[in-house]
Order: sequence, then C-alpha cells, then structure tokens
Amino acid sequence: EVQLAESGGDLIKPGESLRLSCAASGFSFRDAWMSWVRQAPGKGLEWVGRIKSKGGGETRDYNTPVKGRFTISRDDSTATVYLQLNSLSAEDTATYYCVWETRVAVFGRWGRGTLVTVSS
Amino acid sequence: DIQMTQSPSSLSASIGDRVTITCQATHDIGKFLNWFQQKPGKAPNLLIYDASTLKTGVSPRFTGSGSGTDFTLTISSLQPEDIATYYCQQLHDLPFTFGGGTGVDLK
Repeated sequence: EVQLAESGGDLIKPGESLRLSCAASGFSFRDAWMSWVRQAPGKGLEWVGRIKSKGGGETRDYNTPVKGRFTISRDDSTATVYLQLNSLSAEDTATYYCVWETRVAVFGRWGRGTLVTVSS
Repeated sequence: DIQMTQSPSSLSASIGDRVTITCQATHDIGKFLNWFQQKPGKAPNLLIYDASTLKTGVSPRFTGSGSGTDFTLTISSLQPEDIATYYCQQLHDLPFTFGGGTGVDLK
C-alpha cells in the first residue's frame, strides 16, 4: 500500500527555519518525482516545488514565492523527501503536502499533510 | 505563469443534479490538466488526469473534457459524498498552477 507520511510541522516565529520530512513506502521511491504543495488555512492549493529522481537528474524546481528560501532534497536510502524552509514569514503558514507524481504530469498520491504556523 | 480560472467559485445543487465546473487556462496547456476533489480536513484526491482520464476507482459519475485552454468537470448525478471543493491544475508549464477551487454543497 502506498503511504506518504509528512512530519515536522510546528509553530515557529518569523525569520526562523524548519525542515519537513515525508516518509514514503509502497512504491519505488528512487524512481519517483516528488512535489510539495501547500494550502494556507481556508485557501486554495499552491505548488511549492519538485525534485526529480536521480535518473531524471535530481532536478529541483521551485515556485517563485519560495525560490531562494526553500530547498527540496531526497534520501533514496530511507525513501524520504525533505523540504527545508528558511526565512519564514506569516505568509508561509499552511498545511504542506507531499505528493508523488505517479506518472509525468499526474499528481496521483498525496500525503495527509503537516501544518506549519508562523507567528510571533 | 499560466493562470487557471475556475467557475463558479461555489455552487449549490440537489442530489441527482448534473453539476458542471469549468476551468480556463491563460495559455494552451494541451491536455496537461488534473482535477482533484478535497473534503474538509483531508488531502486532495486525484479524480481525473490528462483532462479526461478517470483515475482507477473513481466513480464514473465524474467526467472530464476539454483541451487547449478550456476544460470541464461534470458530475452526472450529484451524490451526498460528492460534497467537496474541486480544483483543476495545469502541468504543462512550470510553475504548476491550480485553479481557485469550486465549493459544491447541497441546496
């Protein structure tokens, strides 16, 4: 059974950093392209970024609002994808979802999400 | 960036009604479009990919159509379990972008 389990969400102060994790199981993680998507409370969905597989060059792409502040990485040995969030502001308050791109251009499987709250 | 405009932003319908949601892209995205259903407090769930391909296990009440810039999600006969918010998403160009969502509730 495919599982994606995010963790690491917390209440933190503006300017601080946080690292989110997403533990994957039930599929070939090393071949997987993984994205992060966030959703501010009561708002819509926003794509954060993606990391391709090593076979895909491990290319990382980011959305403009997070470029230079957020970094996606992966550890194929533990089937985990990470999202490092730096220089956080209140606008980054959201539930962060880990997503497996089950096929190119198909966001087929989502984790349950982890909540990040940025507040002084 | 490609902007995705969904309409309506919300709608009320009765059980058994046919429900139609539209999604318009600012640029030609071919058929690189996903539709998702999200229930309160839950993660989004993929319904349709490639604009019109139903994900395995999803009710055939849901159909997707369109290509280029104009897309439609149709629920043929609304059921209580379909009460949710629906989002379209383009994956033709980076950054991937979502529509603003359409909330469907019962009249």
